[in-house]
Amino acid sequence: GESVGLHLPTLSVQEGDNSIINCAYSNSASDYFIWYKQESGKGPQFIIDIRSNMDKRQGQRVTVLLNKTVKHLSLQIAATQPGDSAVYFCAENQAGTALIFGKGTTLSVSS
Amino acid sequence: ETGVTQSPTHLIKTRGQQVTLRCSSQSGHNTVSWYQQALGQGPQFIFQYYREEENGRGNFPPRFSGLQFPNYSSELNVNALELDDSALYLCASSLQNTEAFFGQGTRLTVV
Repeated sequence: GESVGLHLPTLSVQEGDNSIINCAYSNSASDYFIWYKQESGKGPQFIIDIRSNMDKRQGQRVTVLLNKTVKHLSLQIAATQPGDSAVYFCAENQAGTALIFGKGTTLSVSS
Repeated sequence: ETGVTQSPTHLIKTRGQQVTLRCSSQSGHNTVSWYQQALGQGPQFIFQYYREEENGRGNFPPRFSGLQFPNYSSELNVNALELDDSALYLCASSLQNTEAFFGQGTRLTVV
């Protein structure tokens, strides 16, 4: 079936390092992708999005890369901080309605 | 803060009972989506409402129903509660085909 998934369930980095979180999607018709951050006990927080007519988009300390050829999405976090520790989800938008989420990657940042 | 508010924050119900969860959209948003998030999983799409009409539904049984009101606030109703309905229920508001902003969620426990 069609689904969005993440390559690694956990990622541990040192404070100040760059983090890369990966996601593979299977629906080539999807045209909108979003990264969310979810802290314990809270709802998902929008980080950055990208549409399928783009390959790269940058925000504050974050960059999303989209490779449509291999249906791969990545989130890069520069100079990772302890406050970045959370579960990160990629989500795929289908037909302008449902967001299809992967299972998430837990990012742990140690000082 | 996203401007999306959900109530209540926590709720305990008995199997077989009915529950109503509420969501106030971010100002200006005309679309509300509901998601169920089981522990350790990504959110699963339940349904979406656009201008008071259901505009897409995920793989959930009919005992999950919803409403959207003229002020774009929304309710999620679940009848005949089952133990597996225990989860975090998330509401997200957006304009059509734009980023969705989530509330903090309602933690439902069915005993």
